[in-house]
Amino acid sequence: TQLLEQSPQFLSIQEGENLTVYCNSSSVFSSLQWYRQEPGEGPVLLVTVVTGGEVKKLKRLTFQFGDARKDSSLHITAAQTGDTGLYLCAGDTGRRALTFGSGTRLQVQP
Amino acid sequence: DAGITQSPRHKVTETGTPVTLRCHQTENHRYMYWYRQDPGHGLRLIHYSYGVKDTDKGEVSDGYSVSRSKTEDFLLTLESATSSQTSVYFCAISEHLGSNEKLFFGSGTQLSVL
Repeated sequence: TQLLEQSPQFLSIQEGENLTVYCNSSSVFSSLQWYRQEPGEGPVLLVTVVTGGEVKKLKRLTFQFGDARKDSSLHITAAQTGDTGLYLCAGDTGRRALTFGSGTRLQVQP
Repeated sequence: DAGITQSPRHKVTETGTPVTLRCHQTENHRYMYWYRQDPGHGLRLIHYSYGVKDTDKGEVSDGYSVSRSKTEDFLLTLESATSSQTSVYFCAISEHLGSNEKLFFGSGTQLSVL
């Protein structure tokens, strides 16, 4: 059983469309991170959210941490082909190291 | 880019043989981690280290051992490889643990056990 569930698992959209990816859990996290991974490479950190209800923006990417700190979303506005990749959320439960979700694979078609 | 080097990048081995993967960092970060990545499972923690000779198990540690004799090197050993250990293995480092943790990943090692 995955502690962090991501949805959808796969998403294929056209350039210019908007999309939202979700990361959900029944556990409370002290912080949550989003990473992007390109083929043949390791994940790269995009953002860390710490406070319930927090919203962070990174250019066309908007990240939100749920009020109860159990879930998070990533919204991409006007997707570009360069956004293609695997998006991973990772949560800190206070035990050991980060726990990762199963990922959302995004394909943006030109 | 964070100075993390994984070796080898690709390896094919046979069931029952020992395999050692190496992670080398030049950042002098305290924490080092080994994850495996499989379709549908995201990244799962195998072992991590919080200092020289200080290691702890992750969620999928069975069949794996680790060693850290120097700050910069973290070795992952499969004592007797099995086909279920075919995976992509990632090493990561961080300066802190917890809410301030920011992981930097290597480029991964693709391991195939036949």
